[in-house]
Amino acid sequence: GAGVSQTPSNKVTEKGKYVELRCDPISGHTALYWYRQSLGQGPEFLIYFQGTGAADDSGLPNDRFFAVRPEGSVSTLKIQRTERGDSAVYLCASSFRDHTDTQYFGPGTRLTVL
Amino acid sequence: GIQVEQSPPDLILQEGANSTLRCNFSDSVNNLQWFHQNPWGQLINLFYIPSGTKQNGRLSATTVATERYSLLYISSSQTTDSGVYFCAGNSGYALNFGKGTSLLVTP
Repeated sequence: GAGVSQTPSNKVTEKGKYVELRCDPISGHTALYWYRQSLGQGPEFLIYFQGTGAADDSGLPNDRFFAVRPEGSVSTLKIQRTERGDSAVYLCASSFRDHTDTQYFGPGTRLTVL
Repeated sequence: GIQVEQSPPDLILQEGANSTLRCNFSDSVNNLQWFHQNPWGQLINLFYIPSGTKQNGRLSATTVATERYSLLYISSSQTTDSGVYFCAGNSGYALNFGKGTSLLVTP
């Protein structure tokens, strides 16, 4: 089937605004992950969902970041009061069962905060 | 989380040459993956290889879990192999990535 998809591909916003980033995992995948990649670095973990619940949100940098996955499929990453330091590529990944399985990544959303 | 060290950080090859990329981990992992990030930023899965050896065309990988390292071999390199190669291993639920090896293959 189709791979992981993410929308939008690019998002430009102003400092202080609220943004939502969407992830559609591979159909049937139970596990979903969000990562953030800054220029010249490898992706950094943000949050892991097992079904509808966040099993590990230890990578979220602060309480301005929140993610949901209400029906165990699509996930939305929400960032409140955006700051220039939030500018990065936000990557979503999914795996069939859990974190020991192969993770497949989406194309990412490039967020720019002006 | 675990520390992941990749070497070399940068590599320039002439088309047709072979290369070996290395990844060291600070602790044992039960998920280890190699990725190629293309110029458009897409992370492409190369191998899921927590242990043993796998081959896929011109690419192969070997992980020695007891010694906490993995190697990626690229043979007969092509210009389309250019990009950044990442290895990643899990620390708990998260994949921890190295800083990558930036590969440029010249004609």
